[in-house]
Amino acid sequence: DTAVSQTPKYLVTQMGNDKSIKCEQNLGHDTMYWYKQDSKKFLKIMFSYNNKELIINETVPNRFSPKSPDKAHLNLHINSLELGDSAVYFCASSPPTGGGETQYFGPGTRLLVL
Amino acid sequence: GESVGLHLPTLSVQEGDNSIINCAYSNSASDYFIWYKQESGKGPQFIIDIRSNMDKRQGQRVTVLLNKTVKHLSLQIAATQPGDSAVYFCAEPRGTDKLIFGTGTRLQVFP
Repeated sequence: DTAVSQTPKYLVTQMGNDKSIKCEQNLGHDTMYWYKQDSKKFLKIMFSYNNKELIINETVPNRFSPKSPDKAHLNLHINSLELGDSAVYFCASSPPTGGGETQYFGPGTRLLVL
Repeated sequence: GESVGLHLPTLSVQEGDNSIINCAYSNSASDYFIWYKQESGKGPQFIIDIRSNMDKRQGQRVTVLLNKTVKHLSLQIAATQPGDSAVYFCAEPRGTDKLIFGTGTRLQVFP
């Protein structure tokens, strides 16, 4: 009965590779997000989608491409991985109350680029 | 630019003592704040929220205080337990879908 799930939990890859992270929520929420958390625990929003439509793109490089096949899923594809992409990526979702208020986070995907 | 930030990066308290985690914000128009707890290896979890029409809100062992005059809010944890060890973030919605997080405070509880 996991609310927001992400796969994989850990991802170790070489620089230049392409990888995807998947996210699913079973809360019936309309809005989903991707956040990046760096080594200093700073948490920053990357994207938000509402009902499969892109709402926010926080000046993230074009190498990052989110895809939402339906409102329960928001995947993140990263091309040409760089060392600086190493971080923990969190997916989140929120109910349709407006204001991006209470968000429910997944367990995170720990990406290490070598 | 506008920000939501924290005064102390790490707070160490003895089990049973009360903990106070602080957060400063710069946008005087902010009207809603949320505290999140992030345990090691997990995603942030909602703890408590407060709207700007309130000065204080209490939950189970947690209290959030909001001082709009000095743009400061705090999270108080009563009788801190080892399970309270985590990183705590204050956060503020910005616009319709954006949540801005503070830099976080690590709470360490020792016996």
